[in-house]
Amino acid sequence: EAEVAQSPRYKITEKSQAVAFWCDPISGHATLYWYRQILGQGPELLVQFQDESVVDDSQLPKDRFSAERLKGVDSTLKIQPAELGDSAMYLCASSLGQVMYEQYFGPGTRLTVT
Amino acid sequence: QKEVEQNSGPLSVPEGAIASLNCTYSDRGSQSFFWYRQYSGKSPELIMSIYSNGDKEDGRFTAQLNKASQYVSLLIRDSQPSDSATYLCAVNTDTSGTYKYIFGTGTRLKVLA
Repeated sequence: EAEVAQSPRYKITEKSQAVAFWCDPISGHATLYWYRQILGQGPELLVQFQDESVVDDSQLPKDRFSAERLKGVDSTLKIQPAELGDSAMYLCASSLGQVMYEQYFGPGTRLTVT
Repeated sequence: QKEVEQNSGPLSVPEGAIASLNCTYSDRGSQSFFWYRQYSGKSPELIMSIYSNGDKEDGRFTAQLNKASQYVSLLIRDSQPSDSATYLCAVNTDTSGTYKYIFGTGTRLKVLA
């Protein structure tokens, strides 16, 4: 069964350091999403790609976060510099398209900033 | 701002009972609705999708949609302790020309053995 792949699964970093997360969506899925989830809350969308283009990054803190999906397949989310408040689960998800398709999540990356 | 509301719980039900989880949404134009199960420390897992008014059944799970009342529910029959998790409701909705998935905060379900 096809799955969304993410790495690393866990990351501990010191504040002010740089950190990067990688995601490989299900083959053929044109839409890729990065979410942040804080304990006790639902996933919050950070950035949404359609193929290689960003279609929404309104909630992405652009002073420190960046995301890319250069060839429209896998994607990288970067934080530089990391802050204590960035500690959360970072989830990648993909779907065939933006409208009315089922969305599937990867296993997530648990980030702890010390 | 478009919203999805869920009771945070916990909802406690005895083993073998029916668990009923509810969700309301604010955007009347929403067309697709999803239920995810999330175990502690894990990522959300898709359980059900529903697009039309009425009921949709898959095994022990039934999703119910009422677009007029802007209400989605998930019924879990013959609840098992392994069903203990947080259940997230998600709505695919148009936000300023982009379709996004808006999630509720989730309802924590406890199935008591």
